[in-house]
Amino acid sequence: GQQLNQSPQSMFIQEGEDVSMNCTSSSIFNTWLWYKQDPGEGPVLLIALYKAGELTSNGRLTAQFGITRKDSFLNISASIPSDVGIYFCAGSLTGTASKLTFGTGTRLQVTL
Amino acid sequence: NAGVMQNPRHLVRRRGQEARLRCSPMKGHSHVYWYRQLPEEGLKFMVYLQKENIIDESGMPKERFSAEFPKEGPSILRIQQVVRGDSAAYFCASSPVSSSTDTQYFGPGTRLTVL
Repeated sequence: GQQLNQSPQSMFIQEGEDVSMNCTSSSIFNTWLWYKQDPGEGPVLLIALYKAGELTSNGRLTAQFGITRKDSFLNISASIPSDVGIYFCAGSLTGTASKLTFGTGTRLQVTL
Repeated sequence: NAGVMQNPRHLVRRRGQEARLRCSPMKGHSHVYWYRQLPEEGLKFMVYLQKENIIDESGMPKERFSAEFPKEGPSILRIQQVVRGDSAAYFCASSPVSSSTDTQYFGPGTRLTVL
């Protein structure tokens, strides 16, 4: 089946630093999504990407849909303590209102 | 506008009992999705439903698991004769009319513990 691998698995950074994480797939997706999950809560959508090569920003977050449609990255600039959490990529073959395949997650810890 | 609601938030069952997990989608949403998350893992798709219809159940185990989304009332994920391996967080998501860009909004999850 389809599998999404995220790297790094976890990272410790200092407040104010920029963060980069990526997601690779063994097969093509037509939609890429990035979610953040806080402990004890459900995932919250951060950015949605619908087109190969697309670069989209949402505040301090920037994400790109890889040209091969098999990868995506998420950057967070000037990290703050509330950025702590687990970041998941997710892919879909037929858009966001259908089955999503989630990645393995990147756990982010921000130190003061 | 209230978000996706799930109850109970925590559920403890003994092996062999039944577990019923409820999901009320956001107002105006007619599509519901169920996902399972094991500790330290990503979410795994289980089933996608519209009112009174199962659209995609490719992620549902063949036995003991069933889901419904009746015309009235919440969506129910039912697990019969639970085993320890069923212990996980179960998340429900909802979306409005199915289009290629409709976002899935997730509920807070039900954490099932099987003793």
